[in-house]
Amino acid sequence: KQEVTQIPAALSVPEGENLVLNCSFTDSAIYNLQWFRQDPGKGLTSLLLIQSSQREQTSGRLNASLDKSSGRSTLYIAASQPGDSATYLCAVSFSADKLIFGTGTRLQVFP
Amino acid sequence: EAGVAQSPRYKIIEKRQSVAFWCNPISGHATLYWYQQILGQGPKLLIQFQNNGVVDDSQLPKDRFSAERLKGVDSTLKIQPAKLEDSAVYLCASSPRGLGGSEQFFGPGTRLTVL
Repeated sequence: KQEVTQIPAALSVPEGENLVLNCSFTDSAIYNLQWFRQDPGKGLTSLLLIQSSQREQTSGRLNASLDKSSGRSTLYIAASQPGDSATYLCAVSFSADKLIFGTGTRLQVFP
Repeated sequence: EAGVAQSPRYKIIEKRQSVAFWCNPISGHATLYWYQQILGQGPKLLIQFQNNGVVDDSQLPKDRFSAERLKGVDSTLKIQPAKLEDSAVYLCASSPRGLGGSEQFFGPGTRLTVL
């Protein structure tokens, strides 16, 4: 069964810390992996998309890596800010365009 | 470029009533998806359309849920009759080509509460 797991489920940190969110998946044969942000009561905002042939993607203070052989991805957030507080979802495409989501990491950054 | 539009944003109904949600994808996107997100969980795919044809509806509870995408643009998702466990956020997403590797873009969702 294809599954996506995210650790930790929740994280609370002071402003300024560098963070690592983890995502693991059960099958190395993937098309791509996406990291999303979800604010309370809102839809999903795509942060980074990593194709299966890529090792990492960067956008501003965010960096996502992909290791297919070990079935893992990490989202690195540098110099966290209160505005980063949200739920972060990892989603894996095991077949053409069918995304399987993890349950998310709920992040709170306090001043 | 306008994003994925959904309406209504919120809906409260009694169990056994029917409800319908509407989605307008990003212009030109061939593939449209409906997801169900129960509180505390990640979204789960209900149905995927490629233009106006169904690609995957394996997780759609077909005894009560139905969806259509007439003319390959807008889509509606209907629940009839609703159950308490249908309370969730229903998310619509679209992608350009519907092939492996396409990025999906999500709408704001419709929050359904079944009493």
